Order: sequence, then C-alpha cells, then structure tokens
Amino acid sequence: GAVVSQHPSWVICKSGTSVKIECRSLDFQATTMFWYRQFPKQSLMLMATSNEGSKATYEQGVEKDKFLINHASLTLSTLTVTSAHPEDSSFYICSAPPGGENTEAFFGQGTRLTVV
Amino acid sequence: AQSVTQPDIHITVSEGASLELRCNYSYGATPYLFWYVQSPGQGLQLLLKYFSGDTLVQGIKGFEAEFKRSQSSFNLRKPSVHWSDAAEYFCAVGFGNEKLTFGTGTRLTIIP
Repeated sequence: GAVVSQHPSWVICKSGTSVKIECRSLDFQATTMFWYRQFPKQSLMLMATSNEGSKATYEQGVEKDKFLINHASLTLSTLTVTSAHPEDSSFYICSAPPGGENTEAFFGQGTRLTVV
Repeated sequence: AQSVTQPDIHITVSEGASLELRCNYSYGATPYLFWYVQSPGQGLQLLLKYFSGDTLVQGIKGFEAEFKRSQSSFNLRKPSVHWSDAAEYFCAVGFGNEKLTFGTGTRLTIIP
C-alpha cells in the first residue's frame, strides 16, 4: 500500500532555532498534504494543508510565518517550525489524503518535537 | 461544522472483559468513519473504517464497529480485551479527499 515517510521521528532543539520536518510519499504522488499537531494528552488538530505548486492554507489561529510549509514536488512536503519555543513542543504528523473513493488517508509516523 | 465526540476520556477494563468505546459525529452527510489507535509516543494505526454498505465492520486485532445512522454513532467494540490493547483510541470522520476531524480520544487502561 501507499506509504508516507516522515522524518525525523524525534528532534530536540534549542529555543530560537528552526526545525524542518519532511514528509515524502514513497510510491505515489500527493498533490495535497495535511499537517496535524497533537499536544500531550490531546487530540490531533489540523494546522495547515499544503498544496503542490501553490501556497499552503492555514487553519485559524496557526501562524503562517512561524510554521512554514513548502510543497515543492508531488512527493515532498515540508514543515519548518521557525524560531521554536517550548510551547511549540508537540507531536507533528502529516497525512496524504486518499487517492480514490473508499480509501483511507495515509499517515506519516509522526515527529516528536521538544524545544528546550 | 463537522465535529466528533468521544464522551469517555478514560476507560478502565479488566483483561478479558468486553469493551465499547463511544463515538458520535455531526456532519452534513454520512461521512467516512474511522477508528485509530495510538500507543504512547507512537503514530496512528488504522483499526477499521466505514465507507458504505454493511453497518458492522470488522477491523484488525479483533475490533469491530457498528455504524448507526439514526444515532450518528460509530462505536468501537471488542469482546475480550488484552493487556496489549491499552492505548489511546481516536474516532475520526472525513469525506473524500478532505481532512479528517478527530475526536478528543479515549484512553484505555487494562487491569489484570
């Protein structure tokens, strides 16, 4: 089946630095990628939707200048957390939507970000 | 706007006992329905899904779920839980290529 590969699995960074998270669709082309965030003991909330060749769309309350999303090709979407702060510590997970009717979304393995 | 409600934040059951996790949704039409499981520090694993047809769906690890249109519910069940079932369970809804909307999750604890 289709696979979305997300890297890194975990990352620790210092406050003020930037972190890039990559999501690759390994055996299919993804024109859209959803980026979710999950704070500890909470549910997954959609942050933004990346679209190949166009600007990402952000959910209300998500700072587009802080969470930079790039969808440079049909197999790669990246999320960069700029000037990270401890409150950005979270689990970030990407998902490619279903490729057809009656199929499910494909999730990456997730990235645990800890900002110290 | 669509929403998903999982009324039980935390459930504790004894190993070998039956389990039912509740999920109710609010959506304009009958959406696609999913149950995911997440172990601590891990990603999501799809347990089962409903698109259309038979309202009782079977999933992996012995789980099943029943779609009830009249109640806008999609409850997850397992006849006999194992200690390895301890995890966080999320109900999710979506349609077509749209994003998924997740419930708040139910944490399952298994006692010996």
